Amino acid sequence: DGGITQSPKYLFRKEGQNVTLSCEQNLNHDAMYWYRQDPGQGLRLIYYSQIVNDFQKGDIAEGYSVSREKKESFPLTVTSAQKNPTAFYLCASSAPDRGPTEAFFGQGTRLTVV
Amino acid sequence: RKEVEQDPGPFNVPEGATVAFNCTYSNSASQSFFWYRQDCRKEPKLLMSVYSSGNEDGRFTAQLNRASQYISLLIRDSKLSDSATYLCVVIRPGSYIPTFGRGTSLIVHP
Repeated sequence: DGGITQSPKYLFRKEGQNVTLSCEQNLNHDAMYWYRQDPGQGLRLIYYSQIVNDFQKGDIAEGYSVSREKKESFPLTVTSAQKNPTAFYLCASSAPDRGPTEAFFGQGTRLTVV
Repeated sequence: RKEVEQDPGPFNVPEGATVAFNCTYSNSASQSFFWYRQDCRKEPKLLMSVYSSGNEDGRFTAQLNRASQYISLLIRDSKLSDSATYLCVVIRPGSYIPTFGRGTSLIVHP
């Protein structure tokens, strides 16, 4: 089955730690995205990548970093510089080479600072 | 003005009611629109695309009004299982980045 896999589902971070969220897709999509969702809020774009070895900052990139070394993978690192990292993180992919198509989502990672 | 705006609700309706949500967008060059459904603590899932000519899928109807820059979602004969948050998505022209509204909460009660 094609899809997007995020791991872990739940993650706990201590103050001052960096943590990395995994996102893998086997849909052969060129574009991948990371969004953050806070309670009662919509999805805000953190980073996106439209091609391997290239990525761009979204609307709230401060305190986050990404890499795109393979088409299938787009990991997100939440650094200690992110002051309020507790949120629901969603990874998505789409195929913009086919036009303005819909995005497909992984199941999300719920990050909590302890 | 935000790129995509939705009334967060909640919309509280009885079973069997008809309910409609609107979503406004700021970029008049936008061409592609979708409605997603998100259940509590889950990922968003595509509900339906919004075509220029309108789109109907069972009890759900999506419409686009380009002149006033809004899209709408109509749900007829509401079911308890329709209770969820409905997210409006506009694809940014050029970059094709999906941009989300904050969602509208629907609660269907017996």
